[in-house]
Amino acid sequence: QVQLVQSGPEVRKPGASVDVSCKASGYSFATYGISWVRQAPGQGLEWVAWISGYNGDTKYSPTFQGRVTLTTDTHTNTVFMGLRSLRSNDTAVYYCVRDGGSWFDSWGQGTVVTV
Amino acid sequence: QSVLTQPPSASGTPGQRVTISCSGVTSNVGRNAVNWYQQLPRTAPTLVIYDNYKRPSGVPDRFSGSKSGTAASLTISGLQSEDEADYYCAAWDDSLNGHYVFGTGTKVTVL
Repeated sequence: QVQLVQSGPEVRKPGASVDVSCKASGYSFATYGISWVRQAPGQGLEWVAWISGYNGDTKYSPTFQGRVTLTTDTHTNTVFMGLRSLRSNDTAVYYCVRDGGSWFDSWGQGTVVTV
Repeated sequence: QSVLTQPPSASGTPGQRVTISCSGVTSNVGRNAVNWYQQLPRTAPTLVIYDNYKRPSGVPDRFSGSKSGTAASLTISGLQSEDEADYYCAAWDDSLNGHYVFGTGTKVTVL
């Protein structure tokens, strides 16, 4: 079955950077993209960015442009999200999600990032 | 970044029908598929409707979706206690080089 397993919780100071990983299994990695979605405490969902599992193409939310970078390791089917210049309002649960063609059909367990 | 508009809350008694609206604009709901996510307390969201009206395998048929123009809706027919959750609509938005937008979220309470 499809599984997205994310790295563990992170604590950073303002201005620092953080990297979160997402290892995919149970499907053909190149057939789907991976998006990142975050949820601040008590708030709604917010899309961060997307990366193609096929060729590494990326799209970033205008809100995060310049601060976030997505990369993939196709040998291990792992996606990495790097977020820099962290601010207190970046405190959130970050989910990696499989993008089935503009819908997210599988979600990782979430990674808590505390700034 | 644009956001889709939903009512903050909706409620009903068991067995009733509840409908949640989702309002967008041409560049998102008007031109692209709308998807709906359910988030039970303290869990990750799950997909309950995709491509406007399709149900993923395993989602009960009491969940249905529709879209007309720049508005979409999710209907839960025969509300059950386990449906108490937050619901979010979402769609791709073609503006600003393309980005994904979520709705503001609706808390459904089963009375």
